[in-house]
Amino acid sequence: DAMVIQNPRYQVTQFGKPVTLSCSQTLNHNVMYWYQQKSSQAPKLLFHYYDKDFNNEADTPDNFQSRRPNTSFCFLDIRSPGLGDAAMYLCATSSLIFSGGAHNEQFFGPGTRLTVL
Amino acid sequence: ELKVEQNPLFLSMQEGKNYTIYCNYSTTSDRLYWYRQDPGKSLESLFVLLSNGAVKQEGRLMASLDTKARLSTLHITAAVHDLSATYFCAVEETSGSRLTFGEGTQLTVNP
Repeated sequence: DAMVIQNPRYQVTQFGKPVTLSCSQTLNHNVMYWYQQKSSQAPKLLFHYYDKDFNNEADTPDNFQSRRPNTSFCFLDIRSPGLGDAAMYLCATSSLIFSGGAHNEQFFGPGTRLTVL
Repeated sequence: ELKVEQNPLFLSMQEGKNYTIYCNYSTTSDRLYWYRQDPGKSLESLFVLLSNGAVKQEGRLMASLDTKARLSTLHITAAVHDLSATYFCAVEETSGSRLTFGEGTQLTVNP
């Protein structure tokens, strides 16, 4: 089945210790997104890739970086995690084509829950 | 800046009752999505609404879109406990690549 996969599902790191979260997809979608979701809040978009073009949200801290080495994979790097970065991190994909009738339904992976000690 | 507001944020209802969740948004868009999220889980796509007057139904849930009023509704008919979850609406910006989410409505259906 075509899907969005995130690894690991649970990640524990220490304050200040770099961590990388992984997302892969078999949908062959051209857009990949990273969201941060804290408890009882809506998902907050950190950045997205439209093909190889990186689009950062204006309020995403520099501590968060991303890489997309190919269509299938996208990584979220947190360079120096703080206690406030503990959250669920959601990867999503969409197939965005700028033509009549196109839309941007996003398909979400299962998420990685990050704990910072 | 696109703003999306959901109402109510918390909803506790009895099994068998009907209720409606509202999603208002601030700028022109004709594409709106509803997602469900169970505690500790990811978002599951429920409905994709792509035009004014669009209505979609799945089981006890029905979603509609009025782009002129900038309003979408998610109607629950004869609620059952399994519908307990948080429901998010998300509006697509006209540029096409981003969604703006509402705050979410936490629904609890009591026996």
